[in-house]
Amino acid sequence: GESVGLHLPTLSVQEGDNSIINCAYSNSASDYFIWYKQESGKGPQFIIDIRSNMDKRQGQRVTVLLNKTVKHLSLQIAATQPGDSAVYFCAERGKLIFGQGTTLQVKP
Amino acid sequence: EAEVAQSPRYKITEKSQAVAFWCDPISGHATLYWYRQILGQGPELLVQFQDESVVDDSQLPKDRFSAERLKGVDSTLKIQPAELGDSAMYLCASSSRAGTANEQFFGPGTRLTVL
Repeated sequence: GESVGLHLPTLSVQEGDNSIINCAYSNSASDYFIWYKQESGKGPQFIIDIRSNMDKRQGQRVTVLLNKTVKHLSLQIAATQPGDSAVYFCAERGKLIFGQGTTLQVKP
Repeated sequence: EAEVAQSPRYKITEKSQAVAFWCDPISGHATLYWYRQILGQGPELLVQFQDESVVDDSQLPKDRFSAERLKGVDSTLKIQPAELGDSAMYLCASSSRAGTANEQFFGPGTRLTVL
């Protein structure tokens, strides 16, 4: 069946460094992906999305890259801040299938 | 800023009891979703409504779970009887359109603990 999965369950970075969270998907027909951030005790929050006709999309301090050849997408966070500490999920459209999530820990 | 409201935020119950969760989506959002999130995992869709109609409940354990959205606005998710394995976060989300590339807005969730 369809699946999305993040490569690492936990990522620890130093404050101010850049963070890269990776995600693989299995459905080559997927045409839309979303990154969500979930802080402790809260529901997921939309960060950024990307359509399959794009390779890159930038937001405020975040960039999503899509590599359709290897069915891989990544979320890059520039100048990581303590407030970025959360669980990050990639999801694909349709039934909005979530992966397991990567916990980002920011060390001061 | 408009938000999805859920209540209660926390619920502790004993197994075999009945529990109910309530969700009020963002005003004007026709599509409403209920998800279950087990600790350490991503949300899993239980049921999707378009207005008052169920469009997907394929993952809803219908022997004990039920969901309704009678007037196409707020929604209730019920579990009867609750089992130990039902302990999880129950998230409600809404979006303005279904089946299109449109983000879902999530509520804060109801944390259910079954003893």
